[in-house]
Parts: sequence; C-alpha cells; structure tokens
Amino acid sequence: NAGVTQTPKFRVLKTGQSMTLLCAQDMNHEYMYWYRQDPGMGLRLIHYSVGEGTTAKGEVPDGYNVSRLKKQNFLLGLESAAPSQTSVYFCASRLPVGTSGGSSYNEQFFGPGTRLTVL
Amino acid sequence: EDQVTQSPEALRLQEGESSSLNCSYTVSGLRGLFWYRQDPGKGPEFLFTLYSAGEEKEKERLKATLTKKESFLHITAPKPEDSATYLCAVQGGGSNYKLTFGKGTLLTVNP
Repeated sequence: NAGVTQTPKFRVLKTGQSMTLLCAQDMNHEYMYWYRQDPGMGLRLIHYSVGEGTTAKGEVPDGYNVSRLKKQNFLLGLESAAPSQTSVYFCASRLPVGTSGGSSYNEQFFGPGTRLTVL
Repeated sequence: EDQVTQSPEALRLQEGESSSLNCSYTVSGLRGLFWYRQDPGKGPEFLFTLYSAGEEKEKERLKATLTKKESFLHITAPKPEDSATYLCAVQGGGSNYKLTFGKGTLLTVNP
C-alpha cells in the first residue's frame, strides 16, 4: 500500500494563478481532509469530506475549493492564489467511526505534504 | 470550541535524559486524544490514541498517559533519533469527523 500520496511535492505560483493539489489514498478510507501548516499556527483544517461526492468547510476554507468525485481522491483548488496561501498543505484520511479494531475513533493517516509558495 | 495547548514549545535534552511533554485540552466530551510525531519536511506519523482517563500506552521509549484535563508523553532515555515535533490532537463529542491540533513541541535530543 502506498498509503496517502500527494502531488505535486513543491510548487511556486504567482499571485492570481490557479492550481489544483491532488491527494490519493489506497486504504479505502471514507473520510479525507485537507490541512495547512504554518509556523506557530499548527495544523488547521481547510475542508474535509465524509464520503464520495460530499465536502464540508473546515476552520480556514476561504480561497479554497475542493472536490471528491472518486472515493480515493480529494482535490484542493486555489482559483486565484494569494501570498497568504503560502504554506505546507497536508492531506489525511481515516476510516469512519467504529470500523476498525473495536476503537470508536480512528487515527488519521497523513500524506507527505505539498510546499506551496505564492509570490 | 475544542482547544489544545502543548508545552513546552521546544525542549532540548541530552541523550538518556528522560522528560515529559504536556498536552492540556478543553473539549466537550472527549472521544479520543491522539499523539503524532512529525519529522522535518514530512507528514505527521501516528503514535497513540487514548480514550479515557487513566489509560496508558507505550511504544519503545515513549509512554502516553491521559487524565481528564491533560495528556503526557513521557520519553525515557531518549536517543537523537527521537528528535522531532510531537503533536497532540483531540476528537471532541461535537463532531464525528474533525480533530483539533495543538501547535506541537519541538524535541531535540543531543548525543
């Protein structure tokens, strides 16, 4: 199993450009998440999905859109990049409540991250 | 709103010098408390889940404990390879889906 993979690993954009970050998981997980991590701020949830075709806003959704057309993929889009979106982006996935080894709330598995710089 | 505070922000130890990291939390109905390790340039790696006060879990030199207000990650006789940022997160009763993360403790173990 590859686990959670993210593409690209690095990207530099100019202000106003658009791009899509791809997250893929091969663990058949229902839930998927997009976070951003900034120095001194910790991990902050951008958007998440609890199943194919569903998405919901997290803590910092402004300026981002997401889509979950296939269960294994979760896409994060920036329509018009801004310098404030310079960050490291992490995708994560997990099983639903109560579906693994008797534990009620299952851990999230993270991808390796995408480092995005917006000039 | 769920909150997680980790202390200290940074900790420097000599190899073999045991210590503890703290994770204080406020949550409406704790469903689970998670510890992760994050190496520079990589994604967080899962370590432990704790569900109820009094619970303890161990893995090599690490031991996690949980009370009703905080969790400790005890590191016994650390080695330089234990150097990393350790993240704490909580799953509250208000949502089945989301975790709230602390800002982490940067641990450096010198040889």
